[in-house]
Amino acid sequence: GEDVEQSLFLSVREGDSSVINCTYTDSSSTYLYWYKQEPGAGLQLLTYIFSNMDMKQDQRLTVLLNKKDKHLSLRIADTQTGDSAIYFCAEKHSNTGKLIFGQGTTLQVKP
Amino acid sequence: GAGVSQSPSNKVTEKGKDVELRCDPISGHTALYWYRQRLGQGLEFLIYFQGNSAPDKSGLPSDRFSAERTGESVSTLTIQRTQQEDSAVYLCASSITRDRAIGYTFGSGTRLTVV
Repeated sequence: GEDVEQSLFLSVREGDSSVINCTYTDSSSTYLYWYKQEPGAGLQLLTYIFSNMDMKQDQRLTVLLNKKDKHLSLRIADTQTGDSAIYFCAEKHSNTGKLIFGQGTTLQVKP
Repeated sequence: GAGVSQSPSNKVTEKGKDVELRCDPISGHTALYWYRQRLGQGLEFLIYFQGNSAPDKSGLPSDRFSAERTGESVSTLTIQRTQQEDSAVYLCASSITRDRAIGYTFGSGTRLTVV
């Protein structure tokens, strides 16, 4: 199938690290993405990783990819209240180019 | 334009009416996608256009849904005989080609409410 699975909710305290996890199904996926959706806003591309990479770091964001287990994670260091949003994991299928999205993880940051 | 533009931003319609949603992609983007996001849920793929190739319609939920795109420009998503379960935010996205890594740029969506 074309399922991308995410936990639905994560709550952290301001200043802590947040880790959002995702599992995907298509082993031939070329790219995997993290998108952020703030209330009432569209989706914003946060970061992406090519499938032959294990890790990508971009300022406070670290993406880890375990291709064997088809597991992707997003770590946000020093989480701020402005990071409160829904985070979507997505995989791009190599043969169709379609992005398949997970259900999204709501991140709540408590002051 | 600078981004993906969708109109209207909000649409309230009566059950059974037809609606037409519009998407203006970023100029030069050959790939265009429609997704549906129901309240509290993830994005559901609907349809995908790539240049002059036949569109991938595999995500359209019923024959009441159709979409058109003229060349590499505007796309319209039409829902005929709307039902309450069609209420959702309809998101459009575009990318330069389907093979680029950079992913899609999304519009702000059209919030459709069927009453």
